[in-house]
Amino acid sequence: SQQGEEDPQALSIQEGENATMNCSYKTSINNLQWYRQNSGRGLVHLILIRSNEREKHSGRLRVTLDTSKKSSSLLITASRAADTASYFCATDHFGNTGKLIFGQGTTLQVKP
Amino acid sequence: DARVTQTPRHKVTEMGQEVTMRCQPILGHNTVFWYRQTMMQGLELLAYFRNRAPLDDSGMPKDRFSAEMPDATLATLKIQPSEPRDSAVYFCASGRGDTYEQYFGPGTRLTVT
Repeated sequence: SQQGEEDPQALSIQEGENATMNCSYKTSINNLQWYRQNSGRGLVHLILIRSNEREKHSGRLRVTLDTSKKSSSLLITASRAADTASYFCATDHFGNTGKLIFGQGTTLQVKP
Repeated sequence: DARVTQTPRHKVTEMGQEVTMRCQPILGHNTVFWYRQTMMQGLELLAYFRNRAPLDDSGMPKDRFSAEMPDATLATLKIQPSEPRDSAVYFCASGRGDTYEQYFGPGTRLTVT
């Protein structure tokens, strides 16, 4: 299976702290994406990092990619209660013609 | 603000009944995906289309599920006959062929009793 694995499965932090989530995958990728899902809602695209990139920033988000280790991390700095959600990594693999393989997700709770 | 729309948002039906879920992708998007989300299995890709042609439906139980795009503004997912194990949230997502981001609809929560 190409499905990625995320850890931790659940994370609980205080507002203002940083949150780090990790994603590992098994086969070579074109790109890796992170999505957020608030309870009862659809997924929202956060950031995309291509296989030839090592780090990308978007506001309070920082994503790193290590293709040699087949892993990625998502860092949310200065977390807010509104960041409480599930976060999924999704990988676009060679030969998959654009479809994404989603991980199981990390559930983040940010306490006020 | 362009969004993917899905109808119905909630559906409760009895085992054996036909269920049809509809999706309107974002105008100009040429790729449409159907996913199913459950606590046990997570997010599973059922089928996807590009320019209305089915590219991959290997994730779909063929005997009871069918997916179509009658036109560029409508995608449908049908289950006939429905079973209790089909209870899940079904998401439609759309994207443009030249980027890889997917835009998700709000989902249809299906309960089969």
